[in-house]
Amino acid sequence: DVKVTQSSRYLVKRTGEKVFLECVQDMDHENMFWYRQDPGLGLRLIYFSYDVKMKEKGDIPEGYSVSREKKERFSLILESASTNQTSMYLCASSPWTGAGELFFGEGSRLTVL
Amino acid sequence: GNSVTQMEGPVTLSEEAFLTINCTYTATGYPSLFWYVQYPGEGLQLLLKATKADDKGSNKGFEATYRKETTSFHLEKGSVQVSDSAVYFCALSGVQGGSEKLVFGKGTKLTVNP
Repeated sequence: DVKVTQSSRYLVKRTGEKVFLECVQDMDHENMFWYRQDPGLGLRLIYFSYDVKMKEKGDIPEGYSVSREKKERFSLILESASTNQTSMYLCASSPWTGAGELFFGEGSRLTVL
Repeated sequence: GNSVTQMEGPVTLSEEAFLTINCTYTATGYPSLFWYVQYPGEGLQLLLKATKADDKGSNKGFEATYRKETTSFHLEKGSVQVSDSAVYFCALSGVQGGSEKLVFGKGTKLTVNP
């Protein structure tokens, strides 16, 4: 089974802190994604990557950056956390020809105080 | 651009009731359509999919038919169980900006009472 593992299920950070959310997948997938999930807004794509060291902005990249130094790992970085970044963050992966089928991690719930 | 509109919840049903969650889409070309499910405390997982018009996706008693003429992909189940309580997301896959991406609806929360 495909496994997508997010390093932290729950985090509490203070405004202005730098935050790292880590995601690792074990099925050699080319594509990896970061979404945030908010009530009433559904899932919104922050960034995605289709290869090592490659990244593309999604729909809401402001305030975020990403890093993909190895194929299996995709990190989301909040350079200076703000309260409006309190959310559930979901990582997903898919093979190159995944035809839209994503495999999701369990999510990281971030609270910024 | 591509978009998905799904029935807003929450939806509350009694066990063994019939379920319909409406989903309509706007897209260029010929997208694939999906239903994802998120059980409490978990990430999303694929429930079913359809890749072309008139295809029917099915899994775990759930069904949805890709209707191009009405741009719809409604989710149905004949008899829901308490274990079906979850959030359901409709999604479409299309090429935007040179890359294939999923666009999700806002989700519909289903609660099934015994």
